[in-house]
Amino acid sequence: DIVMTQSPNSLAVSLGERATINCKASQNILSSSVNKNFLAWYQQRPGQPPKKLIYWASTRESGVPDRFSGSGSGTDFTLTINSLQAEDVAIYYCQQYFRTPLTFGGGTRVEIK
Amino acid sequence: QVHLVQSGAEVKKPGSSVKISCKASGDTSTNSAFSWVRQAPGQGLEWMGRIIPFGVSTYTRKFQDRVTITADEATSTVNLEVRGLTSEDTAIYFCTRGPLSYFTFDYWGQGTQVTVSS
Repeated sequence: DIVMTQSPNSLAVSLGERATINCKASQNILSSSVNKNFLAWYQQRPGQPPKKLIYWASTRESGVPDRFSGSGSGTDFTLTINSLQAEDVAIYYCQQYFRTPLTFGGGTRVEIK
Repeated sequence: QVHLVQSGAEVKKPGSSVKISCKASGDTSTNSAFSWVRQAPGQGLEWMGRIIPFGVSTYTRKFQDRVTITADEATSTVNLEVRGLTSEDTAIYFCTRGPLSYFTFDYWGQGTQVTVSS
């Protein structure tokens, strides 16, 4: 199974500042045949189901604010939230869909400092 | 837009079974995969398995012996049955839908709380 490891477990960021979340895959999740990284990011606000933010490591889902961006390739990925807003308080998960079983990172809790 | 509505909370005894339903509305195209993802209290997300058109189901090794996912295309409903419940199955169970060509979870149901307690 591909293990997804996120860091940090939690972080506190001031409003308007940047939050950076890391995700590391235990195996390469870049497909050379299609040149795409099979990596998605989700946001789960308190008491809500998760919501997909980004797929193919860097493509934002329709309607997702552009302060959210994804980067990385191969095994190392980053979700960046620029200019953190109060509504961004949530747990963020990465997920690989390169191979089954589909697996998630352990989550990163983002709070306001 | 797709809307997934799940059945209500369940309280079950250890050793029993539970069946949860998920009804899709809106774009009910058959060109999609339905998955079940669970979340234990205070824990992360765990994929259990999925079903694709023509009723082909895939499960993780952890669940393949006691989980069944079925679909009724006529009613746009997907079901999850979990047998042999233990306290470790206490969790919120989410129904999700995503594309067939790559397996992300694009739409989520509201979640169904399953509590296993004697």
